[in-house]
Amino acid sequence: GAGVSQSPSNKVTEKGKDVELRCDPISGHTALYWYRQSLGQGLEFLIYFQGNSAPDKSGLPSDRFSAERTGGSVSTLTIQRTQQEDSAVYLCASSLEGRGSETQYFGPGTRLLVL
Amino acid sequence: GENVEQHPSTLSVQEGDSAVIKCTYSDSASNYFPWYKQELGKGPQLIIDIRSNVGEKKDQRIAVTLNKTAKHFSLHITETQPEDSAVYFCAASSNGKSTFGDGTTLTVKP
Repeated sequence: GAGVSQSPSNKVTEKGKDVELRCDPISGHTALYWYRQSLGQGLEFLIYFQGNSAPDKSGLPSDRFSAERTGGSVSTLTIQRTQQEDSAVYLCASSLEGRGSETQYFGPGTRLLVL
Repeated sequence: GENVEQHPSTLSVQEGDSAVIKCTYSDSASNYFPWYKQELGKGPQLIIDIRSNVGEKKDQRIAVTLNKTAKHFSLHITETQPEDSAVYFCAASSNGKSTFGDGTTLTVKP
């Protein structure tokens, strides 16, 4: 079947605007993860969903960031009042059950540029 | 929380040589250690992984070793090819959460 998909692939926005990023996980995968990757940097964990609930939101950098997941499938990451430092690649991944020893399958990412 | 350090940050080798990337982790509860390859403009893709009950795993030209006592694990690529050029990330995982290293940019010169 299809892998993890993300939309849009690229997003340019003005400082202060809100943006929504979407992730479609692999069908049947219970766990979903959001990461942020700044230019030339590693992956920064943002939030993890098990089904529709988020047992770990510890990585969200500020209250401008929020995420939800509905129907145990699609997830949206919302950034309110975007700032230039929010510019990065936002990666989504999914895994079958969300246990520790599981492979995460990544989408291609959304490249966000805040002007 | 978990802290993962990855070295080197950049690595350049001649085609056919071997490449080794090393990672250390801090949380003894981590029990799963995947390695990902990320090509330009794409998301990371799993290339090999190892679980804490295994010391070594090999898949063709790629091998990973794990030393739980010392809390370090390494990626070994033999007979490197230009298409191996990419950014490689290690990760340490427990309880559904993965902490990634900062990545190693591998360049294989033809």
